[in-house]
Amino acid sequence: DIQMTQSPSSLSASVGDRVTITCRASQGIRNDLGWYQQKPGKAPKRLIYAASSLQSGVPSRFSGSGSGTEFTLTISSLQPEDFATYYCLQHNSYPRTFGPGTKVDIK
Amino acid sequence: QVQLQESGPGLVKPSGTLSLTCAVSGGSISSSNWWSWVRQPPGKGLEWIGEIYHSGSTNYNPSLKSRVTISVDKSKNQFSLKLSSVTAADTAVYYCARSSVAGTNPWGQGTLVTVSS
Repeated sequence: DIQMTQSPSSLSASVGDRVTITCRASQGIRNDLGWYQQKPGKAPKRLIYAASSLQSGVPSRFSGSGSGTEFTLTISSLQPEDFATYYCLQHNSYPRTFGPGTKVDIK
Repeated sequence: QVQLQESGPGLVKPSGTLSLTCAVSGGSISSSNWWSWVRQPPGKGLEWIGEIYHSGSTNYNPSLKSRVTISVDKSKNQFSLKLSSVTAADTAVYYCARSSVAGTNPWGQGTLVTVSS
């Protein structure tokens, strides 16, 4: 199985901050990675697909980069509605595997 | 656009079988997509369970493979999950979703299944 790790596991930030979350794969997965935002009691919402493509309807303050084993999700200017947990998901090989999540809360 | 909706019992007895159905609307289950199940225990992360293609081909998580069956009903435009020999560790919110070469999206809203006597 491909193991996905995320760092940090949690962070506290203020509105307007630039936030970067990293996801690492235990082996190369090309760009077969998505980023998801999940709020309490809600289903995950995809923000980024193919590592760097912005999902339709998602604000442009979200961006993704990376290929191979290291990927980043950046929120350029954190907004109140962005406080949530973020997950990465690889779909390069089976079984599909998620990162453990990064919780972003208010400083 | 495609929407998915999970349904099924919210309470299952230990050693029993969990059965859920995902209804697909706004698109055909016979399209070139896979149809997936993912679960999330309360307060924990996401776990991929498996997926099915309209032809009936499946891929399962090895950690659950011995207990999981995913099936498709093209006439009803839906697919289903069965998980046997459940324990309290199988208590989770279960999501269905569409998967493709571009990843997994969209997702259903999820349904909580509690395993308890």
